[in-house]
Amino acid sequence: GENVEQHPSTLSVQEGDSAVIKCTYSDSASNYFPWYKQELGKRPQLIIDIRSNVGEKKDQRIAVTLNKTAKHFSLHITETQPEDSAVYFCAADTGGFKTIFGAGTRLFVKA
Amino acid sequence: DTAVSQTPKYLVTQMGNDKSIKCEQNLGHDTMYWYKQDSKKFLKIMFSYNNKELIINETVPNRFSPKSPDKAHLNLHINSLELGDSAVYFCASSFKSVNEQFFGPGTRLTVL
Repeated sequence: GENVEQHPSTLSVQEGDSAVIKCTYSDSASNYFPWYKQELGKRPQLIIDIRSNVGEKKDQRIAVTLNKTAKHFSLHITETQPEDSAVYFCAADTGGFKTIFGAGTRLFVKA
Repeated sequence: DTAVSQTPKYLVTQMGNDKSIKCEQNLGHDTMYWYKQDSKKFLKIMFSYNNKELIINETVPNRFSPKSPDKAHLNLHINSLELGDSAVYFCASSFKSVNEQFFGPGTRLTVL
């Protein structure tokens, strides 16, 4: 079955720096790759997603890239702010009503 | 106006008891899910339903029984609770598959 690996598990950056989180997936049939942000004690919320027919997508300070050949996708956050501190999850979905999440990355942004 | 709601928010119970968690969405979605998030924050799918039909049952013990009375509701009943069931349970909904999922606030279950 599908497996999603996410790295790093913890990431600490200085405010204003960039943060990059990387994921790999195993099932080549995966065609939808969402990223969720979960603040402490809150529910996960979608921040950006990408579909397999697109290589890159950007929304203000957040961008996601997808390399289907290598089965890699990455989240890039530029000009990080303290409110970006949270746990970030990547996920992969083949369209079979089963979303597989990565193990999460705890991002700390130091002011 | 809450999109996806769950009750209760907290559940503290003894081993061996039976408990239920309710979930409702008012987004008009046709797909609903249950996830378990353990103490290490790992988010694992348990069940998914599409148009009230069970689609995914992800090797969950049969002590867990989901029920979808209609497309807007997906409840989770747990029999004979065990210590290892302690976790946060999230309900979510989406329009079909491969689309954004909207999560409920979570139910923190503690089994003593």
